[in-house]
Amino acid sequence: NAGVTQTPKFQVLKTGQSMTLQCAQDMNHEYMSWYRQDPGMGLRLIHYSVGAGITDQGEVPNGYNVSRSTTEDFPLRLLSAAPSQTSVYFCASGGRGNSPLHFGNGTRLTVT
Amino acid sequence: AQTVTQSQPEMSVQEAETVTLSCTYDTSESDYYLFWYKQPPSRQMILVIRQEAYKQQNATENRFSVNFQKAAKSFSLKISDSQLGDAAMYFCAYRSPIQGAQKLVFGQGTRLTINP
Repeated sequence: NAGVTQTPKFQVLKTGQSMTLQCAQDMNHEYMSWYRQDPGMGLRLIHYSVGAGITDQGEVPNGYNVSRSTTEDFPLRLLSAAPSQTSVYFCASGGRGNSPLHFGNGTRLTVT
Repeated sequence: AQTVTQSQPEMSVQEAETVTLSCTYDTSESDYYLFWYKQPPSRQMILVIRQEAYKQQNATENRFSVNFQKAAKSFSLKISDSQLGDAAMYFCAYRSPIQGAQKLVFGQGTRLTINP
């Protein structure tokens, strides 16, 4: 069972570059989300989706775009990377009701 | 908006002893879910235990148990018989009962060290 798969595991970008963090889940979950983890601040919600074609902003959406064309995939795009976006990024998916979120293994992004 | 506070950035315990990690939260909702996640050095986020606010009974999972005080908005995690593999960051998280949107609000985390 693959669960939630994130790629890449590590990435280094220069300021101003763009990139897409990939996230795929094989559990047919309707809900998917992106978090960033910074030291001393826990995980903060960037964007989320409650189904294909539906996305919404979380707590820290600025500088990030998302789309949800299929149930399985929920990519996160950085259009013009900034040093403040250096962080560890987690994708998570969840089913209905009070079922727990399933997390990917994270992507460590460094912007120089 | 809901907030979650973990006031202990670091904790340490001797192997085989018991340790309690603190978590408080702020909400105006009467029904919600609370979680503890463990993050070992591998960076995986692992669900340790969860509690539904409408349940008065404290959740228990093997060596892990919670002390849920709804009126005090407190949700502490007790780890009994600590093992070296328990060393990790622990995050407390809150979730509203809104259907379909499993948005979690996390605390800042507590780094737990186990001394052999």
